Amino acid sequence: EIVLTQSPGTLSLSPGERATLSCGASQTVSSRYLAWYQQKPGQAPRLLIYDASTRATGIPDRFSGSGSGTDFTLTISRLEPEDFAVYYCQQYGSSPFTFGPGTKVDVQ
Amino acid sequence: QVLLQESGPGLVKPSQTLSLTCAVSGDSLSSAAYCWNWIRQHPGKGLEWIGYVFLGGSTFDNPSLKSRVTMSVDTSKNQFSLRLSSVTVADSAVYFCARGRRNYFGSPYFDSWGQGTLVTVSS
Repeated sequence: EIVLTQSPGTLSLSPGERATLSCGASQTVSSRYLAWYQQKPGQAPRLLIYDASTRATGIPDRFSGSGSGTDFTLTISRLEPEDFAVYYCQQYGSSPFTFGPGTKVDVQ
Repeated sequence: QVLLQESGPGLVKPSQTLSLTCAVSGDSLSSAAYCWNWIRQHPGKGLEWIGYVFLGGSTFDNPSLKSRVTMSVDTSKNQFSLRLSSVTVADSAVYFCARGRRNYFGSPYFDSWGQGTLVTVSS
C-alpha cells in the first residue's frame, strides 16, 4: 500500500498570499496518478487536480499541481477567502487507492 | 451534471450489517469510463477508500476491510449499494458515494461526490 504524507499539517496564511502544499508518497506513484481535493466543513471533498497537474472542470487557474515520482505539490497562487479549507492528495497508481492525512489552510 | 445521494440507517448495532444506497442522476451506471465508489471519513479524520462497483457488477475493494464488503449495482434504478458486515464502533464514519473516473489501468480519481451520510455504530 502506498502511504501518503502531507506537509505542513496546518498552513496559516492571509488572503492574497501564495500557498504551497506538499504530498509525499512512500513509493513511486506510477504515471503521475495523483489527485488533489478541497474539503470544507460539512461538505464532501471537491476534485481540484488529477493526473498531478490537470485542473478539473471549473477549477480556477490559481490552483496548480506539479510533481512526479514520490513528491507532489499543490500551489494556490493567490488565496481567495473561499480557499480556506482542508486539502487532500490521493494516489490512484496502485490499489488500494489511498489519501493523505490532509493540510488545513486557515486564516492567519 | 451528475448528482449522487446516499441513503440508509444512521444507526447500526455492533456485529450487524451496515447497508447504504447511492442514487445517481445525470449519468448511467453502465458507462465504461466510470466506476462507482464508497469512501468513508471517520469524524475529524482523513478519507478511506472502501471499494467500487463497475460495469454489470464487478467489484474491487480495500483489503483492509477484510472481506466484510459487498457492493452491488441496480441499473434499473440507477443506484448502487454497500453492505459492510460485522460492524464495530470503528466503522462509525461519514460514508460518501463517489463517481470514479477510471485511468488507463482502471484506477479512479473521484470527480463527483454525494453529500455523505453519518453512520454511527452503537448498541
